[in-house]
Amino acid sequence: GIQVEQSPPDLILQEGANSTLRCNFSDSVNNLQWFHQNPWGQLINLFYIPSGTKQNGRLSATTVATERYSLLYISSSQTTDSGVYFCAWTGTASKLTFGTGTRLQVTL
Amino acid sequence: ETGVTQSPTHLIKTRGQQVTLRCSSQSGHNTVSWYQQALGQGPQFIFQYYREEENGRGNFPPRFSGLQFPNYSSELNVNALELDDSALYLCASSWGQGSEAFFGQGTRLTVV
Repeated sequence: GIQVEQSPPDLILQEGANSTLRCNFSDSVNNLQWFHQNPWGQLINLFYIPSGTKQNGRLSATTVATERYSLLYISSSQTTDSGVYFCAWTGTASKLTFGTGTRLQVTL
Repeated sequence: ETGVTQSPTHLIKTRGQQVTLRCSSQSGHNTVSWYQQALGQGPQFIFQYYREEENGRGNFPPRFSGLQFPNYSSELNVNALELDDSALYLCASSWGQGSEAFFGQGTRLTVV
C-alpha cells in the first residue's frame, strides 16, 4: 500500500528560527493536505496543495508531484506553532492517508 | 459558515458495550469520513459516506458501522467495544470525493 513518510519525526526550535518539514509519498498524488494538530487534538487545515507552491503568512508549502514529495516551511517560529504536523495524501480513492507526523516544540 | 462539529467530546465506556458518535458536516459538504487516531499515531481511515452511501472502507472489522443522513450528518457506531478501541475519533467533511477535507474537534473514547 501507499507509504507516507515524514521527517524529521521530532524537532525542537528556538522562537524565531526557521524550519522545513518533509513529506515523501510512494505513489502518484491526487491531493495533498498539511495539517497542524493542536494539543487538544483538533486538526487545523494549513494547505491543500496537490502541486505547486502556496504561502499563508509565515507558512508556505511546496508539492513536487513528479518527485513524490511535499515540503512545509515555517519561518520565524512562535511558541504557538508547537504541536504535531501531518501531511495527508489522497490518490485515486478519496480517503486521506496520513504520514507519521512531525512533533514540533518551539521554546522561548 | 458552520464548521464540522462532533459529539460528545469525551466518552467513557465499558468493554463489551456499544457506542454511537455523531458528526455534523460543514455547511454545503456532502461527504463525511471517519478516522481513528490512537495515541502517538496518525489518523487511520475507517470509512467514508457520500450521499448516504458507504464509499470506501479501511481495515476495520464489521463491528464498526456508520450512517449518513439526508442532511449529510453522520454517525459512527462501534459494537462490542474492546480496550484497543480507546482512541480519538475524528470526523471530516468535504464537498465531493477527494476535495479538501475539514475536521471536527474529535471525540475521545476511553474503553475500560
